[in-house]
Amino acid sequence: QSALTQPASVSGSPGQSITISCTGTSSDVGGYNSVSWYQQHPGKAPKLMIYDVSNRPSGVSNRFSGSKSGNTASLTISGLQAEDEADYYCSSYTSSSTLYVFGTGTKVTVL
Amino acid sequence: DVQLVESGGALVQPGGSLRLSCFASGFMFSTYAMHWVRQAPGKGLEYVSAISSNGASIYYGNSVKDRFTISRDNSKNTLYLQMGGLRADDTALYYCARSFGYNYWFDSWGQGTLVTVSS
Repeated sequence: QSALTQPASVSGSPGQSITISCTGTSSDVGGYNSVSWYQQHPGKAPKLMIYDVSNRPSGVSNRFSGSKSGNTASLTISGLQAEDEADYYCSSYTSSSTLYVFGTGTKVTVL
Repeated sequence: DVQLVESGGALVQPGGSLRLSCFASGFMFSTYAMHWVRQAPGKGLEYVSAISSNGASIYYGNSVKDRFTISRDNSKNTLYLQMGGLRADDTALYYCARSFGYNYWFDSWGQGTLVTVSS
C-alpha cells in the first residue's frame, strides 16, 4: 500500500486561501468517503481537522474545509493565519489489508 | 478529558524486542477501536496497526506485519504493541490513537513514545 501523494510544501500570505491536495487511487481516496485531515505543529501530536471528506469536528475553525473529486481529496484553509503554519496529513480508509493509509504530508508556511 | 499516555519506548539493539503500552482514561476504552501510528524523525506519519474494540479484528501495516503484535486489555484500559525483529527503520515516535465504531478517523492521539533501534 503506497502512501497518498501530497505536495511537499504550500505557502501563502496572511488572509489568503491555500489548498492542499491528496491523491490516491480507487482503492482508497476515490472509493470511499473516508478521508480525514490532520494538523501537526512541531513537537506536537497530530490533531484531527476534517473527517469523512468534509466534516469538521467541534472546535475546529470553519476556515478549514475539505472536498473530494475522483481520486483526489483537498483541504482548503481560508483566511490564512500565522497559527496555521504546520504540517498537514491526509488519511484514507483503504480496501487493502492495511485498512488505513496516510499521505506524504505537506508543510504549510505563512509568509 | 480524554487522555492517551504511551510508555515503553527505549533504545534497543537491532533484532531486539520491546513492548509499548498506551493507557487510556476519560472515556469508555472498551467501546473504541485503537491504533498505533508512528513517525520517524523528520518524516511523515505511517500507519502501524489497528485493533477493534473487542480485539476480534486486527490489522497491520505492510512494514510491520509478522514482526509486531497488537493487543489490548479492556479491564486495564490499556493498549499494547509487542515489537520484535526490530530494525533501524523502526526508529520512530510511536503514537496511540482512537476511533469509534466504523468511523475511519482518529479523534484523539497520545503524545507518543520514542523507540530508537541502534547498536
